[in-house]
Amino acid sequence: AAGVIQSPRHLIKEKRETATLKCYPIPRHDTVYWYQQGPGQDPQFLISFYEKMQSDKGSIPDRFSAQQFSDYHSELNMSSLELGDSALYFCASSVRTASTEAFFGQGTRLTVV
Amino acid sequence: DAKTTQPPSMDCAEGRAANLPCNHSTISGNEYVYWYRQIHSQGPQYIIHGLKNNETNEMASLIITEDRKSSTLILPHATLRDTAVYYCIVRVLISSGSARQLTFGSGTQLTVLP
Repeated sequence: AAGVIQSPRHLIKEKRETATLKCYPIPRHDTVYWYQQGPGQDPQFLISFYEKMQSDKGSIPDRFSAQQFSDYHSELNMSSLELGDSALYFCASSVRTASTEAFFGQGTRLTVV
Repeated sequence: DAKTTQPPSMDCAEGRAANLPCNHSTISGNEYVYWYRQIHSQGPQYIIHGLKNNETNEMASLIITEDRKSSTLILPHATLRDTAVYYCIVRVLISSGSARQLTFGSGTQLTVLP
């Protein structure tokens, strides 16, 4: 069965650079969620989209932005990268109806040096 | 979303049942209990969820108390591959019947011992 695809799997950037992470949800899923997981931390919700519109916003820094495109894939854009942005970034997708589970991708490991 | 409380760590012998408790005493009537697990640095994996009744699937069983203030995830025959962090999450539904995001708290590190 198709799963959530994230690219790239690994990314190394220097401070003050920009990064773009991509997420391809499971076909027919209309909702995408982004999470950040720092070393030794639990996943923290950043932002979500439903039918290409921003749905909920969590602890996403102003330096980050995201969008969902017409084909439902989503991109997380990160600018002015800081060392503290080094983390695993997970994308999840679901059908936005009652009591359906969200499926997570394998994540992108971002390292800022 | 309602806050959940889980023990930080538990051990279980391989082949035995693992019983992972979760307290969610402030849960509301429209909130589901979800369980996910995360094997080291992999994406969280869905296990099971329920509203009021006990649930069972091929991975686990979920027992929810009658007052819904706590639940227990049961892995009937734990294997070494079940070693992971297990997250109990209470997820609110909004009025349209849609679901909000999953909010991860501090889960339980389950270690299955040979």
